[in-house]
Amino acid sequence: SQQGEEDPQALSIQEGENATMNCSYKTSINNLQWYRQNSGRGLVHLILIRSNEREKHSGRLRVTLDTSKKSSSLLITASRAADTASYFCVLVMDTGRRALTFGSGTRLQVQP
Amino acid sequence: EPEVTQTPSHQVTQMGQEVILRCVPISNHLYFYWYRQILGQKVEFLVSFYNNEISEKSEIFDDQFSVERPDGSNFTLKIRSTKLEDSAMYFCASTVRGPTYEQYFGPGTRLTVT
Repeated sequence: SQQGEEDPQALSIQEGENATMNCSYKTSINNLQWYRQNSGRGLVHLILIRSNEREKHSGRLRVTLDTSKKSSSLLITASRAADTASYFCVLVMDTGRRALTFGSGTRLQVQP
Repeated sequence: EPEVTQTPSHQVTQMGQEVILRCVPISNHLYFYWYRQILGQKVEFLVSFYNNEISEKSEIFDDQFSVERPDGSNFTLKIRSTKLEDSAMYFCASTVRGPTYEQYFGPGTRLTVT
């Protein structure tokens, strides 16, 4: 499969808690990106991590990548109600199709 | 901050009619994409466009679909004869440096075929 598999499918936490989402994949990648989508609306790029990187930070977001295990995680710290959305890990292949391939995502619900 | 815009936000059409969905990518971007999302399903890639030609397309993008960049700012998706199953959100995206970089998405056009 050329798509990432997000886990869990759904996550419900309280405001202020941390949220961790995981992504596993099976192919060789150029990079892995995380996107957010609010209720079927537009997709927002969050962070991109390349295959030679292990960790990246952006504000309250921390992404890790383990290419030996073919897995990535997205950590959102001190979550807010506005973080409620679906989160997708998107793979960009090393060869072949370069378009983004989306999985089913993790639906995050942050309770106020 | 520059953003991708799409018009209309909602289009209702009858089966068999032609529709044109419009997108204005970010001005210095060179790579353009269309994706669609059927209600409750995954986002699916349709087509990518660079240097005035299609660079990649999916199995969904058959002869009923076409794309065009008629001027320096617009990027359009045309569906020649709409089917009920074409009902979906259609997202345009663009990127400045190439297909391995982050993409910026528009808010989408909801297409309803009756």
